[in-house]
Amino acid sequence: DTEVTQTPKHLVMGMTNKKSLKCEQHMGHRAMYWYKQKAKKPPELMFVYSYEKLSINESVPSRFSPECPNSSLLNLHLHALQPEDSALYLCASSQEEGRDYGYTFGSGTRLTVV
Amino acid sequence: AQSVTQLGSHVSVSEGALVLLRCNYSSSVPPYLFWYVQYPNQGLQLLLKYTSAATLVKGINGFEAEFKKSETSFHLTKPSAHMSDAAEYFCAVSDYYQLIWGAGTKLIIKP
Repeated sequence: DTEVTQTPKHLVMGMTNKKSLKCEQHMGHRAMYWYKQKAKKPPELMFVYSYEKLSINESVPSRFSPECPNSSLLNLHLHALQPEDSALYLCASSQEEGRDYGYTFGSGTRLTVV
Repeated sequence: AQSVTQLGSHVSVSEGALVLLRCNYSSSVPPYLFWYVQYPNQGLQLLLKYTSAATLVKGINGFEAEFKKSETSFHLTKPSAHMSDAAEYFCAVSDYYQLIWGAGTKLIIKP
């Protein structure tokens, strides 16, 4: 299995809703990442988990809450989002956290906040 | 600090023609460099990476890139463009725990 699987593929939520994005990989990768990508822009790093522990938080607002229940799963809990949070949310994994490992990306969740 | 510049937000080539997408980097340490491709409404797929081994790197789908330290470049090429190559291409340099991305180049293939 060489994939990163993200669910759901599309999500529409109101500003008062609570929802979660899910990411799963079975490649034995020990680093997992959440990225946000706006249209026609490169991805922006949000969070890094290494060995199931939060390693990096790129000053992301608290309305985004990551969780890593085990080495294969990564969740992103969403609460009280704003319309400007609408974007493609990408999960990625790599063998380890470090410079020389390429990332494997999922197909993303297209989030629309109304 | 590391940075990446991709020359040309859009590149248009005819089907069968040479593809050349330009990437220049700035890095205070020996760079690890990557090219990713993103098809519409999809995630990013690793095309190839340079991690200080051979300077000519071959990737998937017939793409290759050459690392030139003297020019601080890592340009992506493909000898013959195919309609299926139409996508957004991102060059990136690794900054330990994250990738520093270029702005991307949209490759347009003319029939």
